[in-house]
Order: sequence, then structure tokens, then C-alpha cells
Amino acid sequence: SVLTQSPSVSGAPGQRVTISCTGSSSNIGAGYDVHWYQQLPGTAPKLLIYGDDNRPSGVPDRFSGSKSGTSASLAISGLQAEDEADYYCQSYDDSLSGSYVFGTGTKVTVL
Amino acid sequence: QLQLQGSGPGLVKPSETLSLTCSVSGGSMSDSTYYWGWIRQPPGKGLEWIGNIYSSGTTFYNPSLESRVTISVDTSKNQFSLRLRSVTAADTAVYYCGRLTPFSRGGYKQPKNDYYYMDVWGKGTTVTVSS
Repeated sequence: SVLTQSPSVSGAPGQRVTISCTGSSSNIGAGYDVHWYQQLPGTAPKLLIYGDDNRPSGVPDRFSGSKSGTSASLAISGLQAEDEADYYCQSYDDSLSGSYVFGTGTKVTVL
Repeated sequence: QLQLQGSGPGLVKPSETLSLTCSVSGGSMSDSTYYWGWIRQPPGKGLEWIGNIYSSGTTFYNPSLESRVTISVDTSKNQFSLRLRSVTAADTAVYYCGRLTPFSRGGYKQPKNDYYYMDVWGKGTTVTVSS
């Protein structure tokens, strides 16, 4: 994968956790938007954040996104048991003829 | 509410062609704003974008798969399809179809490819490549 994420993060209920997504000058660093998806076990991914920091309707405001330089972050505040899932970042890479690229994925465990 | 449902054979032999169809309900595919696309996920691994198509038939493919992929659309049936040729075990995956929507802070007259993200996902179709 072109975008690198830490394999796992964990936190107790109520805590705040942050997931990082590191790219390069041909994707995040070039200014392309970052989007985040949540994948609960055995289900399809679900859009969580689009355009770096925008939440679709229905997504709790506990989830927030940000971007700086060649990296982006997803923060989950007030961690809840139902947040235990895999999280993927996605952006656009302009090398070759262009493509959508995903992060390696981060498993969030609620202790 | 827009829903997408993929269908097709769950087992494909090596060197043959994988064919999947995505049926769209709860909305029309004719809106030229949206892309309709495919993303796959090998067992225990991450997500890989395969390609997109507009209702006009214009396509955009992952360069790493472009030589083997064809995506087509039939707006009269509200369906789009994926064909992946010369498959190997590495093509074993859950295949997701979905709708891609454009976003740009500054607005746009005609969205560029980099504006898109998948906002509606189908449930996924498991395809195993094995003899």
C-alpha cells in the first residue's frame, strides 16, 4: 500500500485514540483529499470522513479528521465498544496515470 | 435509499475470467456526477481499488490491473459489471461495488478523478480462484 498506517491502536472506553496515515509528495503531500473508512468485523467498509475533515450525516462527532503535510489523522474521542473495527485512509496518487490508494489499515481495540 | 448488490460466481478457475455484476436500487445510475466502481479485499488484507465507470461509459482503471480489467455499464438495467481476465489465486478476494461521489472545497464545473471517494458500498461478493 502507498499509504502507511500503524497496525493497531487500543484504548479504554471514554479515551481518545488517534490513527495516523502517512503518504508522500505524490498523494497526501500533493494536497489531495484524504477520506476515512470504518470496517466492522465481517462487513463492508463504511464512509467515516471525506475531504480531510468532513463527516457524512449520521457519523458521530466523536470522529474527526485532519491533515498536515504528507500525513493525515483520524481521532476518535470518547471511545466506545462499538468503535472496535479496522480503519482505512484513502487518497489519490498522481504517479503513473493516477489512482486511488488506500492505507494499510489500523485495527482499533477497545480494552 | 441507494443500495448496491453484487452478484456472480463464487468460484473461478485459474486463467479464466472473473465476471461480476452490481445491481443498483433506490436511485438511478444516469446522474453523470457519480462514478460507479469496484474495490477488492483479499482475505485478511487491505483494500485495493480496481476501477470506475461513469454512466456515459467512460472508465478509469487502476494502472496495475488495467491490462486485465473491463468495467461496463447498462443504465437501462441500472447495472454495471466487472470482468477480470486471466485470474490467479492472487485475485481471490471479497469484491465490493459502490458509488463514488466527488468533493472539492472550491467547487467544480467538471469533477476531476482525484475528487472522488466511495460513499455507498455494496455488501461484497466473495470470489475464490481455485481449480
